[in-house]
Amino acid sequence: GAVVSQHPSWVICKSGTSVKIECRSLDFQATTMFWYRQFPKQSLMLMATSNEGSKATYEQGVEKDKFLINHASLTLSTLTVTSAHPEDSSFYICSARDLRLAGGPGDTQYFGPGTRLTVL
Amino acid sequence: QKEVEQDPGPLSVPEGAIVSLNCTYSNSAFQYFMWYRQYSRKGPELLMYTYSSGNKEDGRFTAQVDKSSKYISLFIRDSQPSDSATYLCAMSHNAGNMLTFGGGTRLMVKP
Repeated sequence: GAVVSQHPSWVICKSGTSVKIECRSLDFQATTMFWYRQFPKQSLMLMATSNEGSKATYEQGVEKDKFLINHASLTLSTLTVTSAHPEDSSFYICSARDLRLAGGPGDTQYFGPGTRLTVL
Repeated sequence: QKEVEQDPGPLSVPEGAIVSLNCTYSNSAFQYFMWYRQYSRKGPELLMYTYSSGNKEDGRFTAQVDKSSKYISLFIRDSQPSDSATYLCAMSHNAGNMLTFGGGTRLMVKP
């Protein structure tokens, strides 16, 4: 249980284009998903919290107009990097909380495999 | 000062060794403590989950939480080359909500 997938696993795009990354909870419903980015040899940095049916909550310093998040269903959240530039190249990881485990051992975030974005 | 401090390593040990990984934290409101393992170019995988103080054992892994000292540990017995990865400690105030991560410790187990 608590399996999270991401698509694509890696993407290369030209500067100025937009890239969409999908995050899916495969065997559970997730009202809340989280988006992180990770630079080489660094820890995860929370970008935003995605709530099903409502606007995402962005962390300080994260541009909401550049990183568009849509959580249209209980199993899917998308992150769109708009007008990508080389400095947006990073490893993007999503996570979700499995409400079936709420209140019990294992009630935490489960992570997807990540998406490596390279902007040329 | 970061909320959660973790030695980045790298920590290099021979196969079969006992490994000790640690994190210290400053916020006494943390109640939930996790250890994640992250292989290169992969997402973090939950290893251990502990609520409040105490020990928890799962196979070769033991997690310890000492809230009085604001110190958590992960022990790996009979370490294997497949344990080579980055280990992230994480903690939160409320279950399932915002996690605060340590910087990660890179472990290398040599055959």
